[in-house]
Amino acid sequence: GNSVTQMEGPVTLSEEAFLTINCTYTATGYPSLFWYVQYPGEGLQLLLKATKADDKGSNKGFEATYRKETTSFHLEKGSVQVSDSAVYFCALIGFSGGYNKLIFGAGTRLAVHP
Amino acid sequence: DGGITQSPKYLFRKEGQNVTLSCEQNLNHDAMYWYRQDPGQGLRLIYYSQIVNDFQKGDIAEGYSVSREKKESFPLTVTSAQKNPTAFYLCASSLLKAPGPYSNQPQHFGDGTRLSIL
Repeated sequence: GNSVTQMEGPVTLSEEAFLTINCTYTATGYPSLFWYVQYPGEGLQLLLKATKADDKGSNKGFEATYRKETTSFHLEKGSVQVSDSAVYFCALIGFSGGYNKLIFGAGTRLAVHP
Repeated sequence: DGGITQSPKYLFRKEGQNVTLSCEQNLNHDAMYWYRQDPGQGLRLIYYSQIVNDFQKGDIAEGYSVSREKKESFPLTVTSAQKNPTAFYLCASSLLKAPGPYSNQPQHFGDGTRLSIL
């Protein structure tokens, strides 16, 4: 079946450090991949997406590349800020039971300190 | 601005009581979804609807009910049969292109409703 696995958190970094949050997936076919971000007490916001192999999604300094050969979609940012502290969810759209289902990883909490 | 509005932001339920969470969208999206999020966990799908007057059970539908009488609205009722209702509930919507395995339409989320037991 379809599934998403993320690295466990929390990830704790100092401001301006480099960020990597690992995400790997299992799916049939070529699903679209997404990163969502959830700030405290809020809903999820779409951060970036990629729809085919070798696509790079980017937004607000975050990047992720769709790697079909390693079934990965790791999130990276070159220099994090305190305001990036949030929970990050990797997700894919898988077709199951007659509809397109958004399948989430468990989320990775990021804490950035000044 | 277009978006998804969930209300109330906080809700309290007494024993044996049904409560209804509101979700309204003005994005003209066909599909709407309800998720449950428990502390430190990911999202689990409760119900979804692709068109008006039609909806399907997700992974954890027991103890919940929904209706889709209008395209813009998808209320969720947490019934007394749901024995552990304390959670953060998120509503989402998306465009619905032709169903199939390669959809790339992202879901847009509301700000959530936090439900607690009195």
